[in-house]
Amino acid sequence: AQSVAQPEDQVKVAEGNPLTVKCTYSVSGNPYLFWYVQYPNRGLQFLLKYITGDNLVKGSYGFEAEFNKSQTSFHLKKPSALVSDSALYFCAVRWGGGGNKLTFGTGTQLKVEL
Amino acid sequence: GAVVSQHPSRVICKSGTSVKIECRSLDFQATTMFWYRQFPKQSLMLMATSNEGSKATYEQGVEKDKFLINHASLTLSTLTVTSAHPEDSSFYICSARDGAGEVQPQHFGDGTRLSIL
Repeated sequence: AQSVAQPEDQVKVAEGNPLTVKCTYSVSGNPYLFWYVQYPNRGLQFLLKYITGDNLVKGSYGFEAEFNKSQTSFHLKKPSALVSDSALYFCAVRWGGGGNKLTFGTGTQLKVEL
Repeated sequence: GAVVSQHPSRVICKSGTSVKIECRSLDFQATTMFWYRQFPKQSLMLMATSNEGSKATYEQGVEKDKFLINHASLTLSTLTVTSAHPEDSSFYICSARDGAGEVQPQHFGDGTRLSIL
């Protein structure tokens, strides 16, 4: 079975500083990895995905993520955080044997402070 | 980009009422839609996968007679919470997948906050 771990419930950074939100995964076979962001009382917005190819994936709003197969990680990064980036971030994995289903991590609350 | 519209955004009703939530893909056809439930400060729990023109596939532990899903067209899926009780209060979110072939992301609606009194 596939699983996703987001080890940090909350991440705090100062505006202008780089941010990292961690994600590790466990699947059989090749993973398809996604990051989503959720603002209060809203659905999830797609940020980026890794399917194949370059390990560094660039997405919306200046976010990027690096796929690391040996460490089974897919950490989300941004070089310079904004207060408006404060939200709940979810990592998700889809695997070839699971059809279209996504398995989500538990989410990481990002707080960017002035 | 792909837009999914979910309606209503909030429902408050008495115990025993049945509530219908609609999920529409506005600018693409979705052969598959998904229904999730999210408890406060928790992740999304997949309830069921809705396939156009066929019966929904429910996850283990989800009562199919309680949560009725109809996916009658390529742009509309509905979730009906039948005879809702306070423990059904939650945030329900739908998503839809656009296209086949290369792995496409799911696009999410804005969710429905259901409160049963």
